[in-house]
Formats: sequence, C-alpha cells, structure tokens
Amino acid sequence: DSGVTQTPKHLITATGQRVTLRCSPRSGDLSVYWYQQSLDQGLQFLIHYYNGEERAKGNILERFSAQQFPDLHSELNLSSLELGDSALYFCASKGPSGYEQYFGPGTRLTVT
Amino acid sequence: GQQLNQSPQSMFIQEGEDVSMNCTSSSIFNTWLWYKQDPGEGPVLLIALYKAGELTSNGRLTAQFGITRKDSFLNISASIPSDVGIYFCAGQQETSGSRLTFGEGTQLTVNP
Repeated sequence: DSGVTQTPKHLITATGQRVTLRCSPRSGDLSVYWYQQSLDQGLQFLIHYYNGEERAKGNILERFSAQQFPDLHSELNLSSLELGDSALYFCASKGPSGYEQYFGPGTRLTVT
Repeated sequence: GQQLNQSPQSMFIQEGEDVSMNCTSSSIFNTWLWYKQDPGEGPVLLIALYKAGELTSNGRLTAQFGITRKDSFLNISASIPSDVGIYFCAGQQETSGSRLTFGEGTQLTVNP
C-alpha cells in the first residue's frame, strides 16, 4: 500500500459527459501528479500540483482540468468525454526531497 | 512528449533464470527510477538511482545508473512466478522539474 488513495476505482460513462476523479496523497506529501495510461500511449504525465498551486503541465487536453485543495487532496476533472479518453488515470505523490513518486491504485475510466 | 526507449518489450523466461532490461535516451537524466506494475494496479517503486555509475540493490533486483546518464539497467536474479508484471523505467531531467518520463515497459512472464 503506497498510502495514496484514489476514488472511484472504476467509472463508466457516456461520451459528452463530465467526470471527477479524486486523489489523496500520502500523509505529509505536498506534491500531486496526474498521469494517464492508455494502451497506445503508455504512462503520460498530465499535470503537477504543489501545495495547492499548479507547477507543471504535460500533455493535458484543454477539456481536462485539475485542482489541489487546502487539505492537499486533488481532483482531476474530465469534460466533454470522448471514446479516446478511456484509460487508466493515476495520481502519484512525492515527498519534500528526492524524485520518488508513489502511485495510487488508479481509476479506470471507460467512455461508451 | 519524449519517451524513454525501453527494451525488450516482452520477455518469457523460466523460473530461476536471470533477467535484464534497459532504458536508453538521447538526453541526460538526473534520476532513474524503476517501477513494477501488476494488472489493474498502480506502479510500485522498486529502486531509485541518483548518481551516475550508481549500482543499487533491492533483494534480487539490481539497477544501475549509466555512466553517460543516458541509460539505466535493471537485473532480476533467480526469477520467481511473482516477478510477473510490467516493469517501467522512469527518468527525471533538470529541464523538466520533478515530472517523470516513462519508458514503454517490459512485460515479464515467468514460467514455473
């Protein structure tokens, strides 16, 4: 158990809909990273938040957004969903030193 | 985004055999991490490497940070059935902050 929690575990929704994925980092970690894992793209970095502030963006679509709240949990919002958004979405958290990221169990999103 | 070139893509071995896999890049990395992912789960950190030439072990796993800082290797000795899974390398670059770039993964199958 990495100490990172994600909900829900599975999500099935229709095209055009909007969903919110939730992540709680390890106790004490201020950094949260979101990744998308699909069969043809591997693990792709989406966005990084540190202590409530956006720090870096990767290949994140404009239809996607994220935020980190004062209690340090983070939410990834996916809107106008398309079939191609079906993937595993992971969050990871990192401590104050080093670059070791600890991953949550992921949310499997299926868009039908 | 930039990907790390990880090889081999897949390996089929007999229990007890040793395994080697590697990651290469055309760019320099400051940190190399190795993760293992089981089906439906999040990646689990195995080993972290921070210094060129560093050789680090974790049980039957040994990883090395290449001298050129453009590659890393992971060896698994005396494989067992529970070693089955996908192994990912990940690297951190000075120019990319704390985000990680992932290799495409090596699918390991161990036959009892």
